[in-house]
Amino acid sequence: DAGVIQSPRHEVTEMGQEVTLRCKPISGHNSLFWYRQTMMRGLELLIYFNNNVPIDDSGMPEDRFSAKMPNASFSTLKIQPSEPRDSAVYFCASSPSQLSPLHFGNGTRLTVT
Amino acid sequence: AQTVTQSQPEMSVQEAETVTLSCTYDTSESDYYLFWYKQPPSRQMILVIRQEAYKQQNATENRFSVNFQKAAKSFSLKISDSQLGDAAMYFCAYRSLLGGGADGLTFGKGTHLIIQP
Repeated sequence: DAGVIQSPRHEVTEMGQEVTLRCKPISGHNSLFWYRQTMMRGLELLIYFNNNVPIDDSGMPEDRFSAKMPNASFSTLKIQPSEPRDSAVYFCASSPSQLSPLHFGNGTRLTVT
Repeated sequence: AQTVTQSQPEMSVQEAETVTLSCTYDTSESDYYLFWYKQPPSRQMILVIRQEAYKQQNATENRFSVNFQKAAKSFSLKISDSQLGDAAMYFCAYRSLLGGGADGLTFGKGTHLIIQP
């Protein structure tokens, strides 16, 4: 079990640029979550997929944020255009069912200058 | 919506001693799951322990145990024989069973645990 894999581990970009974060969930897990972690707001749920379908994206802060899950083994979180206030650690997590804990990737630290 | 409160931003304990981290939550649901996650400086989120609300028995994992008080909506974590490797941020988390678990986990703000050698 390789765990949840996120890339890149670090991303530094300039304001206005497009940023794409990637996630490979654990095989067999049908639920996938994107979280954002900041000092001020802690861990916030951005979006939840079940069986590759977005179920709840009410946590996505603005239209600049979008997420896709084209298949069971891959998801992306895109920010376009990026802003300095988007700087945070972005986590992807997967779960085999609602009765199970979430398994987290190592996160992507995004810095927007 | 559920809320999770960790009232201790930082705790310090001597190596080999016991420390308890506090967590309270607010919910109107009767069945749910509670978790403690550990986040070391590597920023990986590591599951420490979990508790099903319908179970009266407190969960235990080696040196980690919880004191689950359902009526009081309290879920504290006790770490016995603290080790230097226990130094980390600890997050309490709630998972609703309604809506197919679509809410994922609701996290507290975390407690920074310092281990004094």
